Amino acid sequence: EVQLVESGGGLVQPGGSLRLSCAASGFTFSSYWMHWVRQAPGKGLVWVSRISSDGSSTNYADSVKGRFTISRDNAKNTLYLQMNSLRAEDTAVYYCARAWHGTRNAFDIWGQGTMVTVSS
Amino acid sequence: QSVLTQPPSASGTPGQRVTISCSGSSSNIRSNTVNWYQQLPGTAPKLLIYSNNQRPSGVPDRFSGSKSGTSASLAISGLQSEDEADYYCAAWDDSLNALVFGGGTKLTVL
Repeated sequence: EVQLVESGGGLVQPGGSLRLSCAASGFTFSSYWMHWVRQAPGKGLVWVSRISSDGSSTNYADSVKGRFTISRDNAKNTLYLQMNSLRAEDTAVYYCARAWHGTRNAFDIWGQGTMVTVSS
Repeated sequence: QSVLTQPPSASGTPGQRVTISCSGSSSNIRSNTVNWYQQLPGTAPKLLIYSNNQRPSGVPDRFSGSKSGTSASLAISGLQSEDEADYYCAAWDDSLNALVFGGGTKLTVL
């Protein structure tokens, strides 16, 4: 079964750090662009970051640039999001998503999401 | 304020046809393909339409997408109660060098 499973969310104080993981299974992880998308409680979807299949290219939303780092380990079939200098406005459910093969930005597989709460 | 503009709500009765619009600009919708997602309450989003008008396998042909200039639309025909959900458009933005989503449209089946 094709699957993405996020982990690593939790409660963190403002200014703190957290690393999210996304474990992929059921497909050739190294062939796909991967993304992180977040959704604050009761709000809409917001794109966070993407990484190319080989990890050589990354892009970030302006709101997280310089604070978040996306990476991947193709040997471990795992996507990461290192989040530093966290702010209250980063509170959201974070989804990892696979880009449809042949596209870079159409997300055909999503994880279940992991909740990140930034609060003192 | 989202880069792509969608109406916050839409509604229809069972069997009706409804459309949801997505308005953008030359740096996103005009230059790149549009994708649509359906999000049922409490669940992860699901890809509904990709590359403006293509349906992934398993998506009913009641759902269709189109694009013209700087706008795109999602049409749902033969509306069913299970279509009640939030719908989002998305496209890459060449100026921002980022993916942008619409603010979402909450569809209510009356």
